[in-house]
Amino acid sequence: AQSVTQPDIHITVSEGASLELRCNYSYGATPYLFWYVQSPGQGLQLLLKYFSGDTLVQGIKGFEAEFKRSQSSFNLRKPSVHWSDAAEYFCAVVQGGKLIFGQGTELSVKP
Amino acid sequence: EAGVTQSPTHLIKTRGQQATLRCSPISGHTSVYWYQQALGLGLQFLLWYDEGEERNRGNFPPRFSGRQFPNYSSELNVNALELEDSALYLCASSLRLGGNEQFFGPGTRLTVL
Repeated sequence: AQSVTQPDIHITVSEGASLELRCNYSYGATPYLFWYVQSPGQGLQLLLKYFSGDTLVQGIKGFEAEFKRSQSSFNLRKPSVHWSDAAEYFCAVVQGGKLIFGQGTELSVKP
Repeated sequence: EAGVTQSPTHLIKTRGQQATLRCSPISGHTSVYWYQQALGLGLQFLLWYDEGEERNRGNFPPRFSGRQFPNYSSELNVNALELEDSALYLCASSLRLGGNEQFFGPGTRLTVL
């Protein structure tokens, strides 16, 4: 069965520093991959997606992610973090129409 | 363009009661999905409806059920509520037949006392 792993439960970065959130997936074919962000008590907002083609995808809010088939990874990056980026981030893969989510990574931003 | 809407925002019930949660998809979307986000359990897929039919179901007991109406809105019903049903229930919608990009609503917070 497909699965998604986010190894980091909680990450703290300083405002202005770069960010990388890790995501590893288990999937037989080419996966459809997503990153979502959730602010406290809110729904999920789609940051970016990978279906095929260019392995570096750009998303909203200055985020990007790189699909690496050889490493089964889809890590999320941002060159300079803002205080408003503090939230929980979820990586997900589609299987049979449904989304399978990782456990989430909570991001804290230090002033 | 309006996004996915859910009602109510909060719902408080007692054990054994029934809860009904509602979702309106983005205009033009025919697929509706329900997910449960319970503390410590992460985001888990519950149900998927498209064109009025149940397309897929997660590992939840039969007391979790739902339906999709002709206008593509959807209802999630939870019967015989248990304390562990307390969670944020998220609805998402997509283009027909499992369009891969799902857009989420703000959720309904269900508390079972």
